[in-house]
Amino acid sequence: EIVMTQSPATLSVSPGERATLSCRVSQSVSSNLAWYQQKPGQAPRLLIYDASTRATGIPARFSGSGSGTEFTLTISSLQSEDFAVYYCQQYNNWPPLTFGGGTNVEIK
Amino acid sequence: EVQLVESGGGLVQPGGSLRLSCAASGFTFSSYAMTWVRQAPGKGLEWVSGISGSGDNTFHADSVKGRFTTSRDNSKNTLYLQMNSLRAEDTAVYYCAKDRDRGLSLNFDYWGQGTLVTVSS
Repeated sequence: EIVMTQSPATLSVSPGERATLSCRVSQSVSSNLAWYQQKPGQAPRLLIYDASTRATGIPARFSGSGSGTEFTLTISSLQSEDFAVYYCQQYNNWPPLTFGGGTNVEIK
Repeated sequence: EVQLVESGGGLVQPGGSLRLSCAASGFTFSSYAMTWVRQAPGKGLEWVSGISGSGDNTFHADSVKGRFTTSRDNSKNTLYLQMNSLRAEDTAVYYCAKDRDRGLSLNFDYWGQGTLVTVSS
């Protein structure tokens, strides 16, 4: 089973600042990686798929990069609605599909 | 508008059974693979199972294999998760989600609101 490690566990950022989230994978998943945002009490929302393609309706301030075993989600200028938990998910080697443990982006 | 509405959650004793349903609308249900993902209280996301658009192929996480069965009724636009031999560690919010692409992308663009399953005596 592929293990996904997200860092940091918590990221404290001021509104307007840049946030950089990391996802490391135990073996190469090529570009078969997605990012989701989840707010309290809500379902996850797809942000990025294929490592760098924004999903429909996702603002341009969200960008994804990386391939193989190291991936990054960047939020260029944090808005109030961006404070949430972010998860990466690989879909290269399955079953099972696997998720990272999440990064909580909180207001500094 | 795509909508996914889960139902069937509740309190069940260890060893008991429950069937979750996910009613879909707003898209051609039979053309898309579907998945179940769960989230234990205060924890992260865990993939539970997936099913092809036709229903011919199903896949389950090792943690539920042999206890959970995933199925779909394309005539009713409904996805199911039959959960047997439930354990305390199955306590979670269960989400159904739609595959983003007809060609099986294995990433999920629409999710239901979730239904809570609590396994406790």
